[in-house]
Amino acid sequence: EAEVAQSPRYKITEKSQAVAFWCDPISGHATLYWYRQILGQGPELLVQFQDESVVDDSQLPKDRFSAERLKGVDSTLKIQPAELGDSAMYLCASSRDRDYEQYFGPGTRLTVT
Amino acid sequence: AQSVTQPDIHITVSEGASLELRCNYSYGATPYLFWYVQSPGQGLQLLLKYFSGDTLVQGIKGFEAEFKRSQSSFNLRKPSVHWSDAAEYFCAVGNILTGGGNKLTFGTGTQLKVEL
Repeated sequence: EAEVAQSPRYKITEKSQAVAFWCDPISGHATLYWYRQILGQGPELLVQFQDESVVDDSQLPKDRFSAERLKGVDSTLKIQPAELGDSAMYLCASSRDRDYEQYFGPGTRLTVT
Repeated sequence: AQSVTQPDIHITVSEGASLELRCNYSYGATPYLFWYVQSPGQGLQLLLKYFSGDTLVQGIKGFEAEFKRSQSSFNLRKPSVHWSDAAEYFCAVGNILTGGGNKLTFGTGTQLKVEL
């Protein structure tokens, strides 16, 4: 069964450093989502791609966060500089074009010290 | 704006007992509703979804949920809980975007503990 791949699974970084997360969606899925999940809360959408285009990045802190999906397949989420409040689980999900079901990856647990 | 409320932060049940997790939503149109489960340190797995039609939907692992428009609720149920059901459960409402895809708004989750 196809799955969404994410790496790394865990990342510890010092504040003010740069950090990047990678996501490879299920093959053929046009829509890719990045979520942030703070401990004890539900996931919150950061950015959504349709192929290589951003559909929604209204909740992405653009002063420090950036996301790209250059060829419309895999995607990278970057934080620079990282802050203590960025400690969270970063989840990637994908779905078929105009499909309603999102498939989630295992996530990247980020700890900023 | 759409929103989801899960009023129970923690629930403890005995193995074999029945389970009901509450979910209330706020959405202007016909909602698309979902229940996801998350095991510790893992991503989310879809349990079931409601788009239209029969208001009682069946999902994986023996779960079901009932959509009640008059109460703006979509409660998750299971007749007999297994120890492996211990996890965090998230209710979500979806908003289909004209540009493609489906924007999910999640509740804060209910942590389920199962006593043996």
